[in-house]
Amino acid sequence: DAMVIQNPRYQVTQFGKPVTLSCSQTLNHNVMYWYQQKSSQAPKLLFHYYDKDFNNEADTPDNFQSRRPNTSFCFLDIRSPGLGDAAMYLCATSYSRSTGYTFGSGTRLTVV
Amino acid sequence: AQRVTQPEKLLSVFKGAPVELKCNYSYSGSPELFWYVQYSRQRLQLLLRHISRESIKGFTADLNKGETSFHLKKPFAQEEDSAMYYCALSSYGGSQGNLIFGKGTKLSVKP
Repeated sequence: DAMVIQNPRYQVTQFGKPVTLSCSQTLNHNVMYWYQQKSSQAPKLLFHYYDKDFNNEADTPDNFQSRRPNTSFCFLDIRSPGLGDAAMYLCATSYSRSTGYTFGSGTRLTVV
Repeated sequence: AQRVTQPEKLLSVFKGAPVELKCNYSYSGSPELFWYVQYSRQRLQLLLRHISRESIKGFTADLNKGETSFHLKKPFAQEEDSAMYYCALSSYGGSQGNLIFGKGTKLSVKP
């Protein structure tokens, strides 16, 4: 009964080939987040949606985009993956600031 | 600047020993602080929130605004506590909060 589901669990893509990671939630939370986590580093926020309002972090590269077609789904698009984009990508949802996040299992992206 | 610091990358203790995972933060407003845990091959999950003052799996954490700390403590460590622990700070006011994470501390509890 996973409540935040990320697909696929592992993704291999070629250098420069667009790739999309998906996240779905059954919690009906307003807010959905995408984090990037590289080895031995803290998860780093890329962007989030509050309902349909998109909020990009200032240092998120233009190469990273996101779509949220409805409350349940959110996608992370990497237009031209580079070797440096290999990482674990975490999706999370939240209801409010005080309740914390619910995370998905993550998608591990490998760029070859 | 908003920042969360976990000074220890790895903490190794024996079963039954007390454990303290350190977390310091830098934030100009009124912080919301959390501890998240990630067991091997599992997703990151919320362990506890400072606002609820709860004890989860024997762990407690007290917010010390004077020392800007939110250390995680457990009096008697168990082997099943071995995991990666992340301290996190919620940086926004209002209803949604963007979490800023520390780099994490790997806790290893030996038999």
